[in-house]
Amino acid sequence: QVQLVQSGAEVKKPGASVKVSCKASGYILSDYYMHWLRRAPGQGLEWVAWFNPNSGGTMYAQKFQGRVTMTRDTSISTAYMELSGLRSDDTAMYYCARSRPPEYGDYGNDYWGQGTLVTVSS
Amino acid sequence: SSELTQPPSVSVSPGRTARITCSGDSLRGHFGYWYQQKAGQAPVLLIKKDSERPSGIPERFSGSRSGTTVTLTISGVQAEDEADYYCQSADSTYTWVFGGGTKLTVL
Repeated sequence: QVQLVQSGAEVKKPGASVKVSCKASGYILSDYYMHWLRRAPGQGLEWVAWFNPNSGGTMYAQKFQGRVTMTRDTSISTAYMELSGLRSDDTAMYYCARSRPPEYGDYGNDYWGQGTLVTVSS
Repeated sequence: SSELTQPPSVSVSPGRTARITCSGDSLRGHFGYWYQQKAGQAPVLLIKKDSERPSGIPERFSGSRSGTTVTLTISGVQAEDEADYYCQSADSTYTWVFGGGTKLTVL
């Protein structure tokens, strides 16, 4: 069965970077886009970016442009998201979630990771 | 960027029907999706392509569309349905767009 398993919680200082991993199983990583989303305390769900593991293509929400880097290691079926220049308002639960390539006309995220709590505090 | 508008909160008594609307220009020419997020859990895809239910989603959850508004209907609401609900679509550049979320309270 399809599973996305994320790395553990992180505590970082302002200005630092954090790298979150998402290990996929039950399907071929390159066949689906990988999205990153977050939910900050008291806020709604927020889309960060997607990554095409097949081509390396990316799309970002405007507010994250320049601060997010996404990569993958197909040999271990794992996708990564690195967020730099951390601020206190980046404190949130971060999720990976897959979707079919959007050019197929289907934009839903059908499987999600369990979430990785990133806390930014001095 | 485009936005999707949802009511912040909806309250309903057990056994009644709850309806949550979502409207926005992003829905013009693009499907709408609905997610349920319970406290402390990851979101779950409830409705895809406006009105399709993924495998394993109870029949009491249904979706519909009228113009640039999609609606999530929960028939015979149960206490376990208390959660946050989000609509989602995409814009012309395949940027994902989410609504602000609706907190469903079961009275």
